[in-house]
Amino acid sequence: GIQVEQSPPDLILQEGANSTLRCNFSDSVNNLQWFHQNPWGQLINLFYIPSGTKQNGRLSATTVATERYSLLYISSSQTTDSGVYFCAVLAGGGNKLTFGTGTQLKVEL
Amino acid sequence: KAGVTQTPRYLIKTRGQQVTLSCSPISGHRSVSWYQQTPGQGLQFLFEYFSETQRNKGNFPGRFSGRQFSNSRSEMNVSTLELGDSALYLCASSLQGQARGTQYFGPGTRLLVL
Repeated sequence: GIQVEQSPPDLILQEGANSTLRCNFSDSVNNLQWFHQNPWGQLINLFYIPSGTKQNGRLSATTVATERYSLLYISSSQTTDSGVYFCAVLAGGGNKLTFGTGTQLKVEL
Repeated sequence: KAGVTQTPRYLIKTRGQQVTLSCSPISGHRSVSWYQQTPGQGLQFLFEYFSETQRNKGNFPGRFSGRQFSNSRSEMNVSTLELGDSALYLCASSLQGQARGTQYFGPGTRLLVL
């Protein structure tokens, strides 16, 4: 099956810093989503981005489908950005998402 | 619209028991998928239902089963619980079963097996 790798696994930032999270996938995908998992475990949708670039406030994402990677940019980070960021991909039919192992982000004052 | 809801939110069971978890998708969504999250294995796909039919199944033993009702609500059942079944169980809904469009997740059910 498709493999999804995320880097870095852990990241510590000072408030106000910028960061880039990366997601590599091993095959063509129909769908790619970025999620933020809050401390209570809920997965919050950030982007649905099978290709191209999108921006939402301080967050933006770019997927280069031909090169099989996606990037999530967080600018001017805040402590509320802390948590785990997952990318997940759909390959083939149906709605089976394959998740990466996540990036644990901690933003400190 | 209301989001995806899951009940119960927390559950404690003992080994050998069985458990049923419930998921109500966003109104109008016909696809419901279930995932298991553990510290060791991460987020893993259990199964997906679309229009009351199981479309995909992950690599889990037969103790894990599910169903979907005509109103798109879904239940998953785990029989003969094992300690390793302790996990966060997440349900997701999407509008279609065509591998496109956003999937929306519920808050999850935390299951502890003692």
